[in-house]
Amino acid sequence: AQKITQTQPGMFVQEKEAVTLDCTYDTSDQSYGLFWYKQPSSGEMIFLIYQGSYDEQNATEGRYSLNFQKARKSANLVISASQLGDSAMYFCAMREGRGGSNYKLTFGKGTLLTVNP
Amino acid sequence: DTAVSQTPKYLVTQMGNDKSIKCEQNLGHDTMYWYKQDSKKFLKIMFSYNNKELIINETVPNRFSPKSPDKAHLNLHINSLELGDSAVYFCASSRPLAGIYNEQFFGPGTRLTVL
Repeated sequence: AQKITQTQPGMFVQEKEAVTLDCTYDTSDQSYGLFWYKQPSSGEMIFLIYQGSYDEQNATEGRYSLNFQKARKSANLVISASQLGDSAMYFCAMREGRGGSNYKLTFGKGTLLTVNP
Repeated sequence: DTAVSQTPKYLVTQMGNDKSIKCEQNLGHDTMYWYKQDSKKFLKIMFSYNNKELIINETVPNRFSPKSPDKAHLNLHINSLELGDSAVYFCASSRPLAGIYNEQFFGPGTRLTVL
């Protein structure tokens, strides 16, 4: 079974609108971390936001927020007031707490976001 | 003052050749990683090192050999290159593991093309 599922291969949003990118995860660990990365067409991987499994509040970083629903095992990224520069591939990733899994990120397949003017 | 750097950025080579990719981080991190991103953009861990010690070898063919001469460097040597090795290879680093929160800082990637 996939550990990280991103069901939206592609998404479109109008400039200045908000968009939600979906991510569900699968783990039996109690302690884990969820990350979102952005990869623009230039290819670099940019860290956006982090949510820990024990964090009671949803993480926020500027225009990015993470809608964390632990019981549903979902960690959706919300981008408010979209900008043209937000057009990129977005990856959800998980770091689990046990043993060797603590030493890697497991990525989803990504969602390609296109912001239209 | 690049945090994680990789050389070369592009690598085009013939099947059967041997090549190396170098990675250096100046963040003082103890843990370094190699990831492979395939043509469908899927990112998968290959290796992780902690304090120069190999922690993860994720079912990578033994044609791939990582080497960590010190904590700031993690190089990847690939023998007998095959067409399927064509991909983008990312190096990353993170702070010592004192909890789950340790974002990984990625290098710019090396695009390897095997002809």
